[in-house]
This record gives sequence, structure tokens and C-alpha cells, in this order.
Amino acid sequence: AQKVTQAQTEISVVEKEDVTLDCVYETRDTTYYLFWYKQPPSGELVFLIRRNSFDEQNEISGRYSWNFQKSTSSFNFTITASQVVDSAVYFCALSEAEGETSGSRLTFGEGTQLTVNP
Amino acid sequence: ETGVTQSPTHLIKTRGQQVTLRCSSQSGHNTVSWYQQALGQGPQFIFQYYREEENGRGNFPPRFSGLQFPNYSSELNVNALELDDSALYLCASRTWGRLNSPLHFGNGTRLTVT
Repeated sequence: AQKVTQAQTEISVVEKEDVTLDCVYETRDTTYYLFWYKQPPSGELVFLIRRNSFDEQNEISGRYSWNFQKSTSSFNFTITASQVVDSAVYFCALSEAEGETSGSRLTFGEGTQLTVNP
Repeated sequence: ETGVTQSPTHLIKTRGQQVTLRCSSQSGHNTVSWYQQALGQGPQFIFQYYREEENGRGNFPPRFSGLQFPNYSSELNVNALELDDSALYLCASRTWGRLNSPLHFGNGTRLTVT
């Protein structure tokens, strides 16, 4: 069975601070995908990144960066110089990489509520 | 490019009733998935539809059923509603078989069962 744990329920920072959201996962699959989604108050889940288990390179996209460490089963997300608009619930998710529901059947963590104060 | 759209936005039903939620997939997407998100929790996979057939289901009873239409729009039907069915229902679409096609979600339908 797959499991995703986001130990941080809520994080509050002041604007321009850096913040890291932790994600630890469990899976028996040898190949899998990892995702981060953002959920603003409107409810829509906004796709941020997908990482293949074969690709352990860290990635940076503007103020966002992701640190994938297979050895510790972690896929952490860092926001640099946070802004008020970053306030949202952030979800880490895991999917099998093979099979009919590959990429569609996501196992989500409980989410981390990030509040960025001005 | 049109995103995933869901209707209605909010819905209130009584225990024991039946409900139908609707979803229009993002243009170019042929696979639709439905998720249930209880308050304060992460979304949980209900099922996936491809080529108008269900081909993957999460831990949900048969009273949760769905349809996918030739234009890739979709419905989620829930019979014999229970209080615990109160949640945000999210529809998501993607392109089957395309490795770099992540799930794109709609804004969801907030269902309240009283």
C-alpha cells in the first residue's frame, strides 16, 4: 500500500522568509511518480511538479525548488522569499508509474496549510 | 485551452437521496478521475474512466458510480446518501498514455448531506 505523510499540519511565516514543506512517502513500487499540488481557498488543485522515481535531480522553478531523496523517501518543497499569494494548502502525492491508473490514481498526504503574513 | 469545469458548485441533499455531479474535461484530455476530499483531509481516489469504462476504483462502495460520455464529459452518481458523504468532490482529467500529462483538477462541487 502507498502512503504519504506530511507531518507539518500548519506553517506560518512572514513574507520574504524561506519555507520548506516536508513530504515522506512509502511504496513497494520500484517506479513511481511524486507530485506537489497547491490548493488555494477556491478549492482547485493546482499542479506544481511531477517527479519520476528514476530522476533524483533537484529542480528549481522560479521561487520554487524541490529536493527528492530516494534514500530517505522524501520529496521536500521549498519556497524562497515567500509571498502572501503563496498562502494555500499544499499537498504531496504519490502514484504508481505502471498500470492502467498510472498517473491518475494519486495517494495524497493530509496537506500543509501555509500562511504567509505581510 | 479550456480547463476542467464542474457543476454545480454547491449542493445540499438529504440523507437517503441520490445526487449527480457533472464534469467537463480539459480539452484534449480523454481520461477522467473523481476524488472525494473530506474537510481538512487530502483527496481520496474514487475511480477513473477511460473510453467510457471504469478501469480503476478506490475504496468506495458500489453506490458511488460514474459515467463518461463520448465527448469525455463525466458524471459522478452517489445513491443512498449518508452524512459522511459530505465533502468536496473533485474531478480531474489527463491524457491516457502520455507520460507527461499530469492530472488537472476542477474547482470541485461542495456536497452537504443533512
